[in-house]
Amino acid sequence: AQKVTQAQTEISVVEKEDVTLDCVYETRDTTYYLFWYKQPPSGELVFLIRRNSFDEQNEISGRYSWNFQKSTSSFNFTITASQVVDSAVYFCALSEAEAAGNKLTFGGGTRVLVKP
Amino acid sequence: DTGVSQDPRHKITKRGQNVTFRCDPISEHNRLYWYRQTLGQGPEFLTYFQNEAQLEKSRLLSDRFSAERPKGSFSTLEIQRTEQGDSAMYLCASSTISDTQYFGPGTRLTVL
Repeated sequence: AQKVTQAQTEISVVEKEDVTLDCVYETRDTTYYLFWYKQPPSGELVFLIRRNSFDEQNEISGRYSWNFQKSTSSFNFTITASQVVDSAVYFCALSEAEAAGNKLTFGGGTRVLVKP
Repeated sequence: DTGVSQDPRHKITKRGQNVTFRCDPISEHNRLYWYRQTLGQGPEFLTYFQNEAQLEKSRLLSDRFSAERPKGSFSTLEIQRTEQGDSAMYLCASSTISDTQYFGPGTRLTVL
């Protein structure tokens, strides 16, 4: 069975501080995808990034960066110079193989509160 | 707007009533997924369709739940004889095969 663990339930920072969200996953699949989604107070899940299991290169997109380490089964997410608009719940998710329908298994989420 | 849409956005019902939700996926997406999210938790998979075929149902989906996707376009999720434990956000997502799932705004159900 697949499992995603986000150990941090809530993180509070002051604007302009960096914040790192941890994600650890378990899977028996050799091919899989990892995702981060953002859920602002409005409730809609917003896609941020997708990474396949064969691509361990770190990625940077503006103030967002992701660190994928297969050796530790981790896919961590850093927001640099946080802003109030970053306040949301962030979910890490793991996709099963295509034969299993690519169903997503989500972690419990990390609530980020950025104070002005 | 060409994203995933869901209707209604909010539904309040009394225990024992039936409710139906609708999801309209992104037009070229052949896969459609339903998830349920309770307060403070991550979304959990309920069921998914590839075109009009329902390929898998989670154990979370009791006999009171039924989903359809006629003609492989929009989908409906019906809950019969609602219970207070059904109160949750019901999320719909769509994708092409093996691609990213994009989510709709969700339908928040409150069962009194």
